[in-house]
Amino acid sequence: DADVTQTPRNRITKTGKRIMLECSQTKGHDRMYWYRQDPGLGLRLIYYSFDVKDINKGEISDGYSVSRQAQAKFSLSLESAIPNQTALYFCATSWTSGNEQFFGPGTRLTVL
Amino acid sequence: TQLLEQSPQFLSIQEGENLTVYCNSSSVFSSLQWYRQEPGEGPVLLVTVVTGGEVKKLKRLTFQFGDARKDSSLHITAAQPGDTGLYLCAGPNSGGYNKLIFGAGTRLAVHP
Repeated sequence: DADVTQTPRNRITKTGKRIMLECSQTKGHDRMYWYRQDPGLGLRLIYYSFDVKDINKGEISDGYSVSRQAQAKFSLSLESAIPNQTALYFCATSWTSGNEQFFGPGTRLTVL
Repeated sequence: TQLLEQSPQFLSIQEGENLTVYCNSSSVFSSLQWYRQEPGEGPVLLVTVVTGGEVKKLKRLTFQFGDARKDSSLHITAAQPGDTGLYLCAGPNSGGYNKLIFGAGTRLAVHP
């Protein structure tokens, strides 16, 4: 079984809809991250969390919110989706002391 | 602002050829990581280089960290179709907190 899972894997939605992307991990890591990936722009950090009570904005947090429901679960919400949020979204985890990050398989989101 | 620039952006070669991809910055990094991302999957860590001038080998892949810790290269010998993917370099931001800065990646296609 995968250590970091994301649901759904693909989603097509319309402008203005609320969307939630979910991430679960079995690695026991404290730190979790949400990134979006766009062609030619690499991975950009949306939000990150160091533990259940800690949430921090990344470089592109506008239009997004997150919830850390448990050590193993970190969800990303788009309150009112817009077309330029069409992208590939990745969840990642890491140990507190190391820099290596472990990524989920990604969610391909299309906003029409 | 710390940036990582990767070149070339795209590379299309025949099986058996050698290639080198680059990751450059004007900033010093305490370490650099290389990830490979295959279609439909999240990035997977290949190697971390920590010491200036360090060379690490992973089968046919050779990674080098520049003496000044501002750049890194990845050399692949006798490329195979299985090497196809997106190669990303990443380094911890100077503020720490396990945040990684990613380059935009080099997309490699190896044709049989």
